Amino acid sequence: QVQLQESGPGLVKPSQTLSLICTVSGDSITNGLYYWNWIRQHPEKGLEWIAYFFHSGNTYYNPSLKSRLTISIDPSKNQFSLNLRSVTAADTAVYYCARDRLRSAVYFGIDVWGQGTTVTVSS
Amino acid sequence: DIVLTQSPATLSLSPGERATLSCRASQSVSTYLAWYQQKPGQAPRLLIYDASKRATGIPARFSGSGSGTDFTLTISGLEPEDFAVYYCQQRGTSLTFGGGSKVEI
Repeated sequence: QVQLQESGPGLVKPSQTLSLICTVSGDSITNGLYYWNWIRQHPEKGLEWIAYFFHSGNTYYNPSLKSRLTISIDPSKNQFSLNLRSVTAADTAVYYCARDRLRSAVYFGIDVWGQGTTVTVSS
Repeated sequence: DIVLTQSPATLSLSPGERATLSCRASQSVSTYLAWYQQKPGQAPRLLIYDASKRATGIPARFSGSGSGTDFTLTISGLEPEDFAVYYCQQRGTSLTFGGGSKVEI
């Protein structure tokens, strides 16, 4: 059974960097079958895709966040991470890591999500 | 960026009734569209992938249809546990979500 687990500080000060890690169990982030995503949800709001990476090293960022974002991976730990710089209160949200799959002209959806971690930006 | 517009924002129904939710894309997404259910305090759950295919373990009362720019999620015979928020999501080079439709009693 595949599981994703987010970890990181729940409170970040304005202008600092938000850093989160997603630990994957039951699957390999380098198996080439899935895209590994970060997605967030502002309080009482909808879902916003942040970024993904693919095993080949391709990363793709939401253009509205790209200038502040870095996604990196640690295959030895089967983890991928998110760094969001210069945060403001507008970055307060629940952050999810999740996997999705697009292959052979079929979109399989985001089939596994982490439980989500709440990050508050406040001094 | 592709924008997904969901309607209605809120749907008030009773158990046993049929729910019809709409998702419209600003440009064609072929069938690269999925639907999710989200309950308070939980991560979204995949219901429908590739516009019309039910995900593993999803009851047959959930069905999806459409291609291109117009999509529909139908819940035939609402159960008490179906009252939740539903999101559509497209997959191109990037991913985007609709604003959500709340199905309430």
